[in-house]
Amino acid sequence: DAGITQSPRHKVTETGTPVTLRCHQTENHRYMYWYRQDPGHGLRLIHYSYGVKDTDKGEVSDGYSVSRSKTEDFLLTLESATSSQTSVYFCAITGGSDYNEQFFGPGTRLTVL
Amino acid sequence: TQLLEQSPQFLSIQEGENLTVYCNSSSVFSSLQWYRQEPGEGPVLLVTVVTGGEVKKLKRLTFQFGDARKDSSLHITAAQTGDTGLYLCAGDRGYGNKLVFGAGTILRVKS
Repeated sequence: DAGITQSPRHKVTETGTPVTLRCHQTENHRYMYWYRQDPGHGLRLIHYSYGVKDTDKGEVSDGYSVSRSKTEDFLLTLESATSSQTSVYFCAITGGSDYNEQFFGPGTRLTVL
Repeated sequence: TQLLEQSPQFLSIQEGENLTVYCNSSSVFSSLQWYRQEPGEGPVLLVTVVTGGEVKKLKRLTFQFGDARKDSSLHITAAQTGDTGLYLCAGDRGYGNKLVFGAGTILRVKS
């Protein structure tokens, strides 16, 4: 158990509203990631962090922002949610091995109406 | 276009049958990982392969990394209903601490 929690686990919101998803880890790992998972696309990287206040974009970062003010928390914000952002969002950490092996949280199912 | 192409996308077999899932790319990876995901949960790491030609076994699951480190396969012997799930391959290109994921193979094993 890598000690990763995500909140909320489910959320339904309306187009145009801001949404923030939270990822919390208890393992003090440096690297944290946000992915979205959609049928036929596997997992696609949104943003990742390599330390407090250090973040970078992934392949599908448009419409998303992140913040990491503490090692244990990584927040993903949808500034103005759109229906195309309906997805399942996963947070992950790197376990500290040499091979970037990742451990995932339980996911957040977000529906934008 | 996915950097890592997985095939087949969907596989439905009877318990006891064998199967192979493929993960192919034109890029070289420093390592490649396989994950299994059950409905409503996050992916769970099964194995990491790092050397070209490497073969790893995990009970009835056999993982192979291609000699050129561009492709990998997962072979399951005598599948069981508990093997049902989504299988994802993920490659590390060796920079940026990021993984690239394939689209996944949905496996359904029927009793």
